[in-house]
Amino acid sequence: AQSVAQPEDQVNVAEGNPLTVKCTYSVSGNPYLFWYVQYPNRGLQFLLKYITGDNLVKGSYGFEAEFNKSQTSFHLKKPSALVSDSALYFCAVRDVNTNAGKSTFGDGTTLTVKP
Amino acid sequence: DGGITQSPKYLFRKEGQNVTLSCEQNLNHDAMYWYRQDPGQGLRLIYYSQIVNDFQKGDIAEGYSVSREKKESFPLTVTSAQKNPTAFYLCASSIRRGEETQYFGPGTRLLVL
Repeated sequence: AQSVAQPEDQVNVAEGNPLTVKCTYSVSGNPYLFWYVQYPNRGLQFLLKYITGDNLVKGSYGFEAEFNKSQTSFHLKKPSALVSDSALYFCAVRDVNTNAGKSTFGDGTTLTVKP
Repeated sequence: DGGITQSPKYLFRKEGQNVTLSCEQNLNHDAMYWYRQDPGQGLRLIYYSQIVNDFQKGDIAEGYSVSREKKESFPLTVTSAQKNPTAFYLCASSIRRGEETQYFGPGTRLLVL
């Protein structure tokens, strides 16, 4: 079985400050990990993913995430937040060793960046 | 949202009525997915299909049905058996089973009259 947890429903940061959105996962094998962003009444947009290789993954709009196998975490980070980063963020996991072909999504974290 | 279209944007269902949500993609992707999004519950997988003429139930398939007669199309029918259909429905596709980056459509909001 695979699962993912986003422990914070909401994250508030001031513009220009660094931001972190947390994600932890559980899989029986090795994980594929993803971050997506959703703006109001829109579909999700892909931000970045970890498949293999370097634990630090860089993605769109200046976001990055670090895969930490020992802590089973994949936190999303950005050095300097923008008001336009305010949105709903989803972490997703898929167990590499399964053939089910489906990902499990977290419940989402609402990021609010205040000017 | 480019490459995947969903229609209509808003859909109203009467009690006891079946309704069908459309999802079309021109990305030549093999796999397609349907999710339901409720406030505070994230995305829940309804059905997915990894190849034409084949599909599998997701976590909340009861009250829903799908078909995959063409690679580019994956319509979802919300049947009268689905007692709480009000939600935001998202369709997604991915290039193949191993490459699981999913590309999402703009969504359909279903409301019950």
